[in-house]
Amino acid sequence: DGGITQSPKYLFRKEGQNVTLSCEQNLNHDAMYWYRQDPGQGLRLIYYSQIVNDFQKGDIAEGYSVSREKKESFPLTVTSAQKNPTAFYLCASSIQWQNSPLHFGNGTRLTVT
Amino acid sequence: AQTVTQSQPEMSVQEAETVTLSCTYDTSESDYYLFWYKQPPSRQMILVIRQEAYKQQNATENRFSVNFQKAAKSFSLKISDSQLGDAAMYFCAYERAGAGGTSYGKLTFGQGTILTVHP
Repeated sequence: DGGITQSPKYLFRKEGQNVTLSCEQNLNHDAMYWYRQDPGQGLRLIYYSQIVNDFQKGDIAEGYSVSREKKESFPLTVTSAQKNPTAFYLCASSIQWQNSPLHFGNGTRLTVT
Repeated sequence: AQTVTQSQPEMSVQEAETVTLSCTYDTSESDYYLFWYKQPPSRQMILVIRQEAYKQQNATENRFSVNFQKAAKSFSLKISDSQLGDAAMYFCAYERAGAGGTSYGKLTFGQGTILTVHP
């Protein structure tokens, strides 16, 4: 079955360490996205990519970096510059240039202590 | 910047009854999309319903329907015949449409409403 796989489900890191969250999709979607979810707040867009080797900042990109070397993969690195990295991170994908909805992965819960 | 507001942090409903979740948004755009997403305890985001702003007819999906009031910038979700499986966090979301009504997946979400369904 096609879908989006985020791994791991739970991730723990010490403050000051960079950490990379994985997102893989086999839906053949062109566009991929990273959203962050905090308690009491809705999802906020971190980065998005509409095509391989290209990506744009979302609303809260500071302290994060991404790459899009393959259509299937869109890893997110949470750097030590991110002041409040503990959150739930959701990856999504969609068919570009069509009015298709977002498909979401199951998310990764990152805890930094 | 667009904003989406869900004024009900929590709502509850009896099984088989009807409940309405509220959402208001602020935008200066005329062409956009509105969504309701459901997030159960598994935390998977599931699309419930989508409304295109240029369509006056309210969207429906089985037991789920919306009341879209464009002038009032209001987009409420009605769940009829509520079931235990409807218990979840519900998010309202907005997306500005691109050229030709293209959707780009850049959504602005509300804070969410936790829905509890009592047996």
